[in-house]
Amino acid sequence: GQSLEQPSEVTAVEGAIVQINCTYQTSGFYGLSWYQQHDGGAPTFLSYNALDGLEETGRFSSFLSRSDSYGYLLLQELQMKDSASYFCAVRDISNTGKLIFGQGTTLQVKP
Amino acid sequence: EAGVTQFPSHSVIEKGQTVTLRCDPISGHDNLYWYRRVMGKEIKFLLHFVKESKQDESGMPNNRFLAERTGGTYSTLKVQPAELEDSGVYFCASSQGLSYGYTFGSGTRLTVV
Repeated sequence: GQSLEQPSEVTAVEGAIVQINCTYQTSGFYGLSWYQQHDGGAPTFLSYNALDGLEETGRFSSFLSRSDSYGYLLLQELQMKDSASYFCAVRDISNTGKLIFGQGTTLQVKP
Repeated sequence: EAGVTQFPSHSVIEKGQTVTLRCDPISGHDNLYWYRRVMGKEIKFLLHFVKESKQDESGMPNNRFLAERTGGTYSTLKVQPAELEDSGVYFCASSQGLSYGYTFGSGTRLTVV
């Protein structure tokens, strides 16, 4: 089957940099996605990596190493509004579009 | 463009009762997915529609769950009869084609007491 592991909680201070790791096990691979969810809100797509390397979008970057089955989300210049849950996800091997999610990492940003 | 809309946002029902959740996808999006997040756990796939056809319902927990998408527009997910373990947040997502970034609704928080 497919599974993803990520830390359950991360705490950081405003202005700092935080990295949220994700390791995955999958028999097929179509890329790693990241979603952000504020409490009570909709999961929002942040980024997608299909190939190895770093993708940067403003304060957020995402990295993938396919040989290590590993990726991370890097958040820079943390702001209070970044406090949320972050999910990594892979597309199911059937490639019908359904996503397999990790359990989510709750990020708490403190002043 | 309106986003994915889900109704109701919250529902509290007693065990044994019936609840129907509704999802209005983005207009023109053929693909519609239902997911569920049980407290503190991962977001899990329930089923996938392409227009009005069920493409994959492998994630549906049991036959107490029934999903429909009449006319290929909005979708409903009915739970009958509800059990305590059905509590969680039910999300709907849509996309025009196969995508890597779907648009999710804000979810329906279902509490079965």
